Amino acid sequence: DTAVSQTPKYLVTQMGNDKSIKCEQNLGHDTMYWYKQDSKKFLKIMFSYNNKELIINETVPNRFSPKSPDKAHLNLHINSLELGDSAVYFCASSQGLAGLSYEQYFGPGTRLTVT
Amino acid sequence: RKEVEQDPGPFNVPEGATVAFNCTYSNSASQSFFWYRQDCRKEPKLLMSVYSSGNEDGRFTAQLNRASQYISLLIRDSKLSDSATYLCVCHSSASKIIFGSGTRLSIRP
Repeated sequence: DTAVSQTPKYLVTQMGNDKSIKCEQNLGHDTMYWYKQDSKKFLKIMFSYNNKELIINETVPNRFSPKSPDKAHLNLHINSLELGDSAVYFCASSQGLAGLSYEQYFGPGTRLTVT
Repeated sequence: RKEVEQDPGPFNVPEGATVAFNCTYSNSASQSFFWYRQDCRKEPKLLMSVYSSGNEDGRFTAQLNRASQYISLLIRDSKLSDSATYLCVCHSSASKIIFGSGTRLSIRP
């Protein structure tokens, strides 16, 4: 009965490859997010979707493309992976719109290593 | 200057001590504030929301000072299990969500 799940948990790949990370939430939440946490543990928001609509799109390379097939899923596709993409990627969800007073529930994270 | 700043620590305190740390924010339009806890190699989990009037949950007290633009977290009677990184997060009306870089807390026996 995991609330927010991500796959895979670990991802090791070579530079230049394309990879996807999947996220699903069974909380019935309207909003989902992708965060990147780098080696310095700084957690930075990348994208936010509300009912499949893009709400937040921070300055990230356009090699990163989120896809939300329905409000329970938010996948992240990354093209032409670079060494600097190595990080832990967290998916999260919240009941309401980003920017309002709703707590977020995080998935367990995907540890991406680009070699 | 970072939009949300925290003292990275580590704060190393004995079990049973009281410890407090602050988080300052630069965007006066910030509306909602939270404290999250993150254990090593785990995801962040909500510790508590921060209300304008201040709020308490057991040994934890959170306060907001809008005039000086900071939030605080106080932990009383600290336990070994309180060892973690504490992240503050500020939501602004512009749909911006900014996390601080976290304060590491280590409780020693």
